[in-house]
Amino acid sequence: ETGVTQTPRHLVMGMTNKKSLKCEQHLGHNAMYWYKQSAKKPLELMFVYSLEERVENNSVPSRFSPECPNSSHLFLHLHTLQPEDSALYLCASSQDQRISTDTQYFGPGTRLTVL
Amino acid sequence: TQLLEQSPQFLSIQEGENLTVYCNSSSVFSSLQWYRQEPGEGPVLLVTVVTGGEVKKLKRLTFQFGDARKDSSLHITAAQPGDTGLYLCAGAPDKLIFGTGTRLQVFP
Repeated sequence: ETGVTQTPRHLVMGMTNKKSLKCEQHLGHNAMYWYKQSAKKPLELMFVYSLEERVENNSVPSRFSPECPNSSHLFLHLHTLQPEDSALYLCASSQDQRISTDTQYFGPGTRLTVL
Repeated sequence: TQLLEQSPQFLSIQEGENLTVYCNSSSVFSSLQWYRQEPGEGPVLLVTVVTGGEVKKLKRLTFQFGDARKDSSLHITAAQPGDTGLYLCAGAPDKLIFGTGTRLQVFP
C-alpha cells in the first residue's frame, strides 16, 4: 500500500469539459506533487505544494489549475484541454520537498484521455 | 536544461539473464534515486545514492553512483519475471528530475 490514492483512475473527456483529479495522502507528509507522464517524454513535474503553499509551477498551461486545501489533499482542475494533454497524471507526496534525498511516494495515477 | 538519458530504452530478456541499465547526464547531481514502475501503478523508490563511487545492493540489484556524480548504473543478476517494469533514475540538483526510462520485460 502506497498511502497515496488518486481518483478517478481513468477519465475520458472532451475538449470543452471541466473535470477535476483528486489525490489524497495518508502518510502525514508536508509536500505534494503533480506529475505528467507521457509515452514519449520523461516524467514531468507540474506543480509542487509545501504546507499547502504552491512552491513550484513549471510553466504549466493555465488550463491546468491546482488546488491544495490542506496537506492531505491535492486537486488538479482541468478545463478546455487539448488531445496532447492525454497522459498519465501522477500525484506524489514526501515529508519535506527541500530535502533532495526525500523519498517521494506516488499514487497509481489517473489515465486521462482527451477527445 | 538538465537531462538524464537512460539506456537502453527497451530490454527484453529471458529469466536468469543478467542486465545493466545506465543513467547518464552532463550535469552533477547531489543525489540520485532509482524507481521501478509496474503497469497500472506509480513509481516506487528502490534506492538513493549520495556519494560519488557509492555502491548499494538490494538482493539481486546492484546500484552504482559514478565517481563524478554524473551517472549511475543498475545491474540485475539472474533476472526474474517479477523484475518486469519501467526503471527510472531521478537526479536531484535541487528538485528531482526524472530520466527517460528503461522498459524491462523478463520472460519465463
